[in-house]
Amino acid sequence: EDKVVQSPLSLVVHEGDTVTLNCSYEVTNFRSLLWYKQEKKAPTFLFMLTSSGIEKKSGRLSSILDKKELFSILNITATQTGDSAVYLCAVGLNRDDKIIFGKGTRLHILP
Amino acid sequence: GEEVAQTPKHLVRGEGQKAKLYCAPIKGHSYVFWYQQVLKNEFKFLISFQNENVFDETGMPKERFSAKCLPNSPCSLEIQATKLEDSAVYFCASSHGTPGNIQYFGAGTRLSVL
Repeated sequence: EDKVVQSPLSLVVHEGDTVTLNCSYEVTNFRSLLWYKQEKKAPTFLFMLTSSGIEKKSGRLSSILDKKELFSILNITATQTGDSAVYLCAVGLNRDDKIIFGKGTRLHILP
Repeated sequence: GEEVAQTPKHLVRGEGQKAKLYCAPIKGHSYVFWYQQVLKNEFKFLISFQNENVFDETGMPKERFSAKCLPNSPCSLEIQATKLEDSAVYFCASSHGTPGNIQYFGAGTRLSVL
């Protein structure tokens, strides 16, 4: 059965700290790994990774994929209260354009 | 449109009543997906469409749930005879199909069954 496992499930840090969120997966027909941020409503797309070892960056956020060890990490440096959200990892499959979501990491940044 | 539009934002139904949710995908996107999220927990895949054709319905409950994507109309998800456990946020997402699997989500419809 295809699965995506995120850790930790919940994390509380202080503003300015750096956090690393983890995502491991076991799927057949891997196509891509995606990160989303969900605040109050719709998940918003952050990154799509398809190749191992190539870091994607957007401001203070970065992510990398290891297709050999089947995991990805999402780093957030110099966290701000606005980074508080649930971060969702999802794996895209080659069939049907389907994506399988992890349960998310709930990140709370204390001022 | 430039974003996935879901209506209504919030829907309240008494147990046993019908609920119908709508989703207009981003213009040019050929795939539409429906998900159920109960109490901010994980996303449960329900069904996907490629244009007006059902692509994958492995997540759809066998009874009471149905969905359609007809040409020139918003897609719809209908729940007959709602139950308390149907209370959730229902998200719709759309994608190009290729490259990758980036799905863009609507703001969701919160269904409350009383």
